Amino acid sequence: GAVVSQHPSWVICKSGTSVKIECRSLDFQATTMFWYRQFPKQSLMLMATSNEGSKATYEQGVEKDKFLINHASLTLSTLTVTSAHPEDSSFYICSARGRGLGNEKLFFGSGTQLSVL
Amino acid sequence: QQPVQSPQAVILREGEDAVINCSSSKALYSVHWYRQKHGEAPVFLMILLKGGEQKGHDKISASFNEKKQQSSLYLTASQLSYSGTYFCGLLVTDSWGKLQFGAGTQVVVTP
Repeated sequence: GAVVSQHPSWVICKSGTSVKIECRSLDFQATTMFWYRQFPKQSLMLMATSNEGSKATYEQGVEKDKFLINHASLTLSTLTVTSAHPEDSSFYICSARGRGLGNEKLFFGSGTQLSVL
Repeated sequence: QQPVQSPQAVILREGEDAVINCSSSKALYSVHWYRQKHGEAPVFLMILLKGGEQKGHDKISASFNEKKQQSSLYLTASQLSYSGTYFCGLLVTDSWGKLQFGAGTQVVVTP
């Protein structure tokens, strides 16, 4: 089946630094990628939607200057948390939808646990 | 808008059945069900695309009532491996096909 690889699995950083998370579709072309954020014991909250070659669409309340999303190719999207602060600590998950894969099913990456000290 | 899931949590003994409900205030195009184990990414279970459609995955099945704007997930003869948090996701009918997830239902299956 389709595989989405997300790196790193976990990252600890100091407050004020930036962190980049990569999401790759390994065996299909991801026409659309979604970034979610999940706090402990809570649901997945959609942060933004990105399509290859175009600007990401952010959900209401998500700071686009803080959470930079780049979808440079059909197999790679990145989320950069800029000037991270402790309140940004969370589980970040990407998901992808590809051409010819049932059209609607989402394939999830394994997630990135971000801890900001 | 986030779909409403119920119950929030359920504890089962192995072999027992359970039902998880998911409802929306908006007209549904499709319903997705995912299961997430602690510390892992969600795993796809099934999609229901048509009103009244029922699908199954092992002994896990689901129904979709388009008229009532709701879906139910049925865990039959539960196994220990069924433990996890179940999320329903509703497809928002815009050009990007965003999924909005419910708050989740934590299922614990005990021996």
